[in-house]
Amino acid sequence: GQQVMQIPQYQHVQEGEDFTTYCNSSTTLSNIQWYKQRPGGHPVFLIQLVKSGEVKKQKRLTFQFGEAKKNSSLHITATQTTDVGTYFCAGTEGYGNKLVFGAGTILRVKS
Amino acid sequence: DAGVTQSPTHLIKTRGQHVTLRCSPISGHKSVSWYQQVLGQGPQFIFQYYEKEERGRGNFPDRFSARQFPNYSSELNVNALLLGDSALYLCASTWTGDTSNQPQHFGDGTRLSIL
Repeated sequence: GQQVMQIPQYQHVQEGEDFTTYCNSSTTLSNIQWYKQRPGGHPVFLIQLVKSGEVKKQKRLTFQFGEAKKNSSLHITATQTTDVGTYFCAGTEGYGNKLVFGAGTILRVKS
Repeated sequence: DAGVTQSPTHLIKTRGQHVTLRCSPISGHKSVSWYQQVLGQGPQFIFQYYEKEERGRGNFPDRFSARQFPNYSSELNVNALLLGDSALYLCASTWTGDTSNQPQHFGDGTRLSIL
């Protein structure tokens, strides 16, 4: 079945440094979503990517969908303490199919 | 407007018991999905319901069942609880049944501990 893998599992950065998490699927995805979960909280939707090679930006966050629609990345420029949390990617293979989440990347920021 | 609400927030059960978890979607949302999140892992899909009908089922045993009511709220039932069922159970709602193409709005979850 479809599998979604994320790396790294964990990253600890100094405030102001950049951060990137990568997501890879075993199958071609119809779209990919990114969520953020703060410690003790629930996942919160960040963005959805649909087109091959798509790049979207939200302030300091840049999201990219690979040309083959099998991988994606989230890059945070100049991390802040408010960026702390676990970042999940979640993909689907087709219309109406279930979302398959990756295991997430835990981000810790030292001030 | 209220977000997705789940009850109870915490629950402690023993092996062999059964449990019922409840979820109310965002007003106007007609689809509810249930996820299990084990510590250190991403949410794993259990069920999706849309307009009171099951639209999808994940790889969970028959001990897990769910239903959706006419007001679009939902219940997740788990029978014969095992230690491995200890997890955060998340409910998410969407406007329509195509959960692959719209944001999932999650509730705060129910933390289930099995002793």
